[in-house]
Amino acid sequence: QKEVEQDPGPLSVPEGAIVSLNCTYSNSAFQYFMWYRQYSRKGPELLMYTYSSGNKEDGRFTAQVDKSSKYISLFIRDSQPSDSATYLCAMSPPGGNKLTFGGGTRVLVKP
Amino acid sequence: EAQVTQNPRYLITVTGKKLTVTCSQNMNHEYMSWYRQDPGLGLRQIYYSMNVEVTDKGDVPEGYKVSRKEKRNFPLILESPSPNQTSLYFCASSPNSGDSIYGYTFGSGTRLTVV
Repeated sequence: QKEVEQDPGPLSVPEGAIVSLNCTYSNSAFQYFMWYRQYSRKGPELLMYTYSSGNKEDGRFTAQVDKSSKYISLFIRDSQPSDSATYLCAMSPPGGNKLTFGGGTRVLVKP
Repeated sequence: EAQVTQNPRYLITVTGKKLTVTCSQNMNHEYMSWYRQDPGLGLRQIYYSMNVEVTDKGDVPEGYKVSRKEKRNFPLILESPSPNQTSLYFCASSPNSGDSIYGYTFGSGTRLTVV
């Protein structure tokens, strides 16, 4: 079983809809949680970064962490065709020397 | 522009022919790392370096070598490539200071095919 599970999708939504993405994990030591966005033929780029539990908002993006359920979420409001990409969750324990990534969810936002 | 530069972007080679994928960053980052990305397996760490002359194995180091002689460069060496090393490779860097280490900057990737 993988340490971090993520539905591969694709997740197809109409423009303007809310995109809801999530990851589950098994390692209770994870304290740092990241979301990366990866466009086709590009490297991942950091979108959101949270520490421990709680919510964090940045523009149209909201990241949530529920450590009791070992579950993290990313919401994209007012989705745009330019949001079409693969979204990767990543996490690490304190002092970790690597990020453990989920497999990524492909999102398609249709005009 | 702050960036991580990988070369080449695409490479087709034959089994056993030594190759090097270069990685250079211009952000004065201490931490650098190599990942491979495979369908269904996601991104897996090959090697990482906390600073110059300090390298260590990641999750899938077999068949790879690295060196960190300068802060900006972190080349990935395949001494005898095999078909199971066909993959998409990414170099990443970040500051090695507190929580910032988790905010990687990735290169654009190197698509390697070993035949």
